[in-house]
Formats: sequence, structure tokens, C-alpha cells
Amino acid sequence: QVQLQQWGAGLLKPSETLSLTCAVYGVSFSGYNWNWIRQPPGKGLEWIGEINHSGSANYNPSLNSRVIISLDTSKNQFSLKLSSVTAADTAVYYCAAEAGSISYWGQGALVTVSS
Amino acid sequence: QSVLTQPPSASGTPGQRVTISCSGSSSNIGSNYVYWYQQLPGTAPKLLIYRNNQRPSGVPDRFSGSKSGTSASLAISGLRSEDEADYYCASWNDSLSGRVFGGGTKLTVL
Repeated sequence: QVQLQQWGAGLLKPSETLSLTCAVYGVSFSGYNWNWIRQPPGKGLEWIGEINHSGSANYNPSLNSRVIISLDTSKNQFSLKLSSVTAADTAVYYCAAEAGSISYWGQGALVTVSS
Repeated sequence: QSVLTQPPSASGTPGQRVTISCSGSSSNIGSNYVYWYQQLPGTAPKLLIYRNNQRPSGVPDRFSGSKSGTSASLAISGLRSEDEADYYCASWNDSLSGRVFGGGTKLTVL
């Protein structure tokens, strides 16, 4: 059974760095794109970026300068770091693995940025 | 403001057929696949349609997708109360080198 379990700090102060990790169970990294997607409270989905099994990443241009997505195949994990957060970064963050007809999502993690 | 444009809301009665539109441009829908997701309240999105009109295993054939030019549509036939959810379209955008979502459509089953 495929599972994506994510964790990370839920409350940050402005200017801090958001750090989330997604552990992958039941599927190999090969063949999938590993995504981070967020959803501000009461709003729609926003793609943050993705990384493939080779480590090649693409980022949302609006977040590009602040985002790093990395892969640790030895631990079956991939991670998101978003620097210099503001209140506008408050959202539920999802990790997701996708390949054609296959789409696995984590449970989501609420990250709140507040002073 | 989202790159892909969806109506904010849609509604129908049980048994009816409802369509949700998604409008884009030549940089996204016009040259790439369209995907549709269903998000039930308090849950992660679920893939409903991939590559414009393909259904993943387990998705009922009441759900269908289509694409024409720079627009796409999701149709739900035989509407059921459990279809009440938010629906999102998505596509790759070549000029942004990234994925873009529509703003979402809240479907209400009356």
C-alpha cells in the first residue's frame, strides 16, 4: 500500500524557513514526479514545485528564489524548504507523487506564519 | 488570479448532468494535457481525469473530460450527493516552465 506521510513545523515566525518532509512508503522514486502543492485557507491549489527521481527540479516562478525541493532516496523521503516566509505563506502544504494515471497525496500539513 | 479560469461555482440536482469549464491559453491547455482533481471537504485532492479525457482506475464513468483548443471541460452525469466537492483543472505551462491550476469550482448538489 502506497503512503505519503509528511511532517514539519506547523507554526513559524515571519522571515523563518519553512521545512517539510514527505516519507514515501510502498513505491520507488523512479518514474514519478514528486510535487509540493499548497492551499491557503479557503482558497485554491498552488503548485510549488516538483523533482524527479534524477534530482531535476522545477519551481513555481513566483516562489523560485525562495524554494528548494530535494530528494533523499536512501531514506525514501523528499523535502521542501521555503525561506523568508510571510503571512502569505500560511497554507496547507501537500506532498504528492504523480505519473500519468497514478496520483498519491500526503495528508496535508497546516503551516501558519504569525508573529 | 489563476492562470487557468474556472467558474467559481456550479450546481445541479441529483441525476442531472453538469459541466465545469477551464479556460487557458496556447502556453498551457493549448499545448499540454489537462488534469482534473476532486477535493472533498477536509481532504487531499484526488485525481479524476488525466491526459485530457482518461479516467484512473476506480473513477466512475460518470466523470468525463474533454479538451478543445485552449479550453477543457469536466462533465459529471447522473449527479449524486457525494459529488459535492471542489473541482480543479491543471495543466503544464510552457512559458512559466511550471504547473498551473484553475481557481477551483465549488459544485453544489441541490
